[in-house]
Amino acid sequence: EVQLVESGGGVVKPGGSLRLSCAASEFTLSNAWMNWVRQASGKGLEWVARIKTKAEGGTTEYAAPVNGRFTISRDDSKNMLYLQMNSLKAEDTAVYFCTTLTSVLHHPDYWGQGTLVTVSP
Amino acid sequence: DVVMTQSPLSLPVSLGQPASISCRSSQSLVHRDGNTYLSWFQQRPGQSPRRLIYRISNRDSGVPDRFSGSGSGTDFTLKISRVEAEDVGVYYCMQASHWPPNTFGQGTKLEIK
Repeated sequence: EVQLVESGGGVVKPGGSLRLSCAASEFTLSNAWMNWVRQASGKGLEWVARIKTKAEGGTTEYAAPVNGRFTISRDDSKNMLYLQMNSLKAEDTAVYFCTTLTSVLHHPDYWGQGTLVTVSP
Repeated sequence: DVVMTQSPLSLPVSLGQPASISCRSSQSLVHRDGNTYLSWFQQRPGQSPRRLIYRISNRDSGVPDRFSGSGSGTDFTLKISRVEAEDVGVYYCMQASHWPPNTFGQGTKLEIK
């Protein structure tokens, strides 16, 4: 069974940093574009960042609110996805999901269970 | 950015009755490759989102056939032919035709009347 398991969430002060990890099992991360999506408590889904496969250049894209502060990366040798979050703000408080968010025909879509990030003084 | 607008935001439905959710985009979702990348997700209480439908009408494996997607251009619909108790949750549409960013609708909360 495919699993994406996020970790690294916690409580951090405004201006602080946190690094989220996403471990994939029964799924080869290197073949997939990977994304981070977040959800503030009681709110909707917000796309945060995407990284393409290394074969496609490993290009990254970011949502405007996090551009310049967050960095998405991958370590295909470890089957891991990361999100380095710097200069955190209160509005970054949310559950962060790693997900394939794919639209490729006949490719299933996978989501992790999420990890909670709380930015609070 | 493409704005996705769902309606209604709250949907009380009796068991066994049909349900319909509308999703409208601020611009056509036809991609330059000719495909339309519009997906529907279900998020049950306390769970992660789960994709139900992609490319307007392709149902994911394991999704009951009472769920169907339709539409074109800027207007899309998710229909549930007969609502069951397990369908309670929030439903989101999402476009992936014009990114970044992928954008989601606000969500429609389906509850049993």
